[in-house]
Amino acid sequence: KAGVTQTPRYLIKTRGQQVTLSCSPISGHRSVSWYQQTPGQGLQFLFEYFSETQRNKGNFPGRFSGRQFSNSRSEMNVSTLELGDSALYLCASSTHFSSGNTIYFGEGSWLTVV
Amino acid sequence: AQSVSQHNHHVILSEAASLELGCNYSYGGTVNLFWYVQYPGQHLQLLLKYFSGDPLVKGIKGFEAEFIKSKFSFNLRKPSVQWSDTAEYFCAVTNTGGFKTIFGAGTRLFVKA
Repeated sequence: KAGVTQTPRYLIKTRGQQVTLSCSPISGHRSVSWYQQTPGQGLQFLFEYFSETQRNKGNFPGRFSGRQFSNSRSEMNVSTLELGDSALYLCASSTHFSSGNTIYFGEGSWLTVV
Repeated sequence: AQSVSQHNHHVILSEAASLELGCNYSYGGTVNLFWYVQYPGQHLQLLLKYFSGDPLVKGIKGFEAEFIKSKFSFNLRKPSVQWSDTAEYFCAVTNTGGFKTIFGAGTRLFVKA
């Protein structure tokens, strides 16, 4: 069974630009979560989607947005990039998000903003 | 607000030493608890999880963790570490109905051969 796939793996953007990251969950998984990982901050929750609906959102500015498609694939978008947005962005999927379900992570997309 | 605290950001041990990584969470309701590990250059993977029942849970590679509800803690232990345990360890908590898993800041473990 293929794992969570994220694309692109690495990218460099300039301040003010926007970026779109893609995530394909494990087959059969309908819940997708996004996290931002930075040194010392751990993983910060961005949002969670299930059946194309955002069910929870973290404390990030409105520049961070996401969506989920009918095939459970998800994208996140960051507009007007800032230097502080440089991070590893992780996508995770689970069968359906409820307490106790394990979430499985992809390898992440490394974003560098210059 | 829900939060997870990991007490040690960096830990250095020699092989065969015992390991205990602290984790405390703040949430008064029913929670599920996890430890994830991230080996150098690899993605996060599950070490172990607690849902209910026996508060002492065993995971992969000889790791175990004990849930102490009265202390809101879920400390990770291993009696004898190996060089291959060098990694970053994350404690995480999920509350019922919250649709999100909250992670601690992580603990970087370095095991000297």
